[in-house]
Amino acid sequence: EAGVVQSPRYKIIEKKQPVAFWCNPISGHNTLYWYRQNLGQGPELLIRYENEEAVDDSQLPKDRFSAERLKGVDSTLKIQPAELGDSAVYLCASSSNMGRSNTGELFFGEGSRLTVL
Amino acid sequence: SQQGEEDPQALSIQEGENATMNCSYKTSINNLQWYRQNSGRGLVHLILIRSNEREKHSGRLRVTLDTSKKSSSLLITASRAADTASYFCATASGSARQLTFGSGTQLTVLP
Repeated sequence: EAGVVQSPRYKIIEKKQPVAFWCNPISGHNTLYWYRQNLGQGPELLIRYENEEAVDDSQLPKDRFSAERLKGVDSTLKIQPAELGDSAVYLCASSSNMGRSNTGELFFGEGSRLTVL
Repeated sequence: SQQGEEDPQALSIQEGENATMNCSYKTSINNLQWYRQNSGRGLVHLILIRSNEREKHSGRLRVTLDTSKKSSSLLITASRAADTASYFCATASGSARQLTFGSGTQLTVLP
């Protein structure tokens, strides 16, 4: 079974440029997460989707970040315009909660490393 | 914000020794999970312990949970060079289906 697929793996852009990251979760996983991980830190949640609905985007900087999950499968995270402080690894994860109220195991992609110059 | 704090931040041991990492958290939880991250890679789930459990084993891993102290520990026995990685605890709280991660422990196992 294929895991969570992310692209691109690496992206280098100049500040003020736009950038987009793509994520394909594990087939059948209804919950999708975007996390940001700064160097030497743990992942921090940006947005969580239940199917196609964004149910927790409180940590998403909405002035420059946007995300979508069309048809409840693939998802795209966009930054426009990028700032120097956006340099980080952007991790996508998915899970299948199967109706459980608690959070089970998350499956992570390899991440997209963004460098803003 | 990060719910958990791992201790120590970095740990260096010899192959064959045991490694113990600790995690403290702030609010009540439904479960606590440990993940491993190799350099430049994504996180991989290791083990999940529920709030009503006190200890759990998986291969060379042993996890304990003390909800009264809001803390957990991860023990890796007979460590190997391949165990070199960052280890993160993550807590699931309330009804929200999300995990809040700590800042991690960087483990180096010397051959």
